Amino acid sequence: DTAVSQTPKYLVTQMGNDKSIKCEQNLGHDTMYWYKQDSKKFLKIMFSYNNKELIINETVPNRFSPKSPDKAHLNLHINSLELGDSAVYFCASSPPSAAGANVLTFGAGSRLTVL
Amino acid sequence: DAKTTQPTSMDCAEGRAANLPCNHSTISGNEYVYWYRQIHSQGPQYIIHGLKNNETNEMASLIITEDRKSSTLILPHATLRDTAVYYCISGSNDYKLSFGAGTTVTVRA
Repeated sequence: DTAVSQTPKYLVTQMGNDKSIKCEQNLGHDTMYWYKQDSKKFLKIMFSYNNKELIINETVPNRFSPKSPDKAHLNLHINSLELGDSAVYFCASSPPSAAGANVLTFGAGSRLTVL
Repeated sequence: DAKTTQPTSMDCAEGRAANLPCNHSTISGNEYVYWYRQIHSQGPQYIIHGLKNNETNEMASLIITEDRKSSTLILPHATLRDTAVYYCISGSNDYKLSFGAGTTVTVRA
C-alpha cells in the first residue's frame, strides 16, 4: 500500500487549460502539503493543510486552488495553466506531534508539462 | 533565505562511511535539524532529525555540535543506492519546511 499516492504521475496539457492533481494518504496524518519542484530542482512549499484547514499559503497565484475534502485527501486544481507552471508537484503528509510536524512523507510526484 | 549551508557535491566510495556536513549557524533554540534525501526521479525521503542530542536510526546517524551551529549526517556503509541529493534543513513545527539546494552525493563502486 502506497502511503502517499498522487495521480496522475504525468500530465501534458496546453496553455490556458485547467487541470487537477489528486493526492491521498493512508497514514492517518493530520497535515498535508503541496510542494513544487521546478527545472532548477528547488523544492518550494505551496500549501499546508491541517485537519482540512488551510494553514500555509506561500504566495501562490490564486489560479492554484487546493481542496481538502477530508484529512486523507488534498487535491490541487490549477486554472488557466501557464508555461511557468511546468514542474513536478509533490504531495506530502506529516503526523501531529511537536517534533514530528516536519517529518514529512512524500508522494512520488506528478510531472506537469504545459505546452 | 538559506538557513543552512552544505557543500554542492561530494563523492564517496561504496562500502565506506559517508559524512555529510551542514552549517546552521543561525539556528534558534526551538529549531530542529532535519535531513531528507531525494533519489533521482523520486519524492524526497525523510532520513533523520534531532534537536541537540546525537541521533541514530536504521538509515543514518546525526551528530550535532554542542553549540548546535553545525551537524554531520553519517551514512555508515554507503551503497550505490544512496546516490541522491541530501538536504539539511533547520526548522520548527511551523508546517513549512524549506528545502535548499542540498548536497549531491555520488557513491562510486
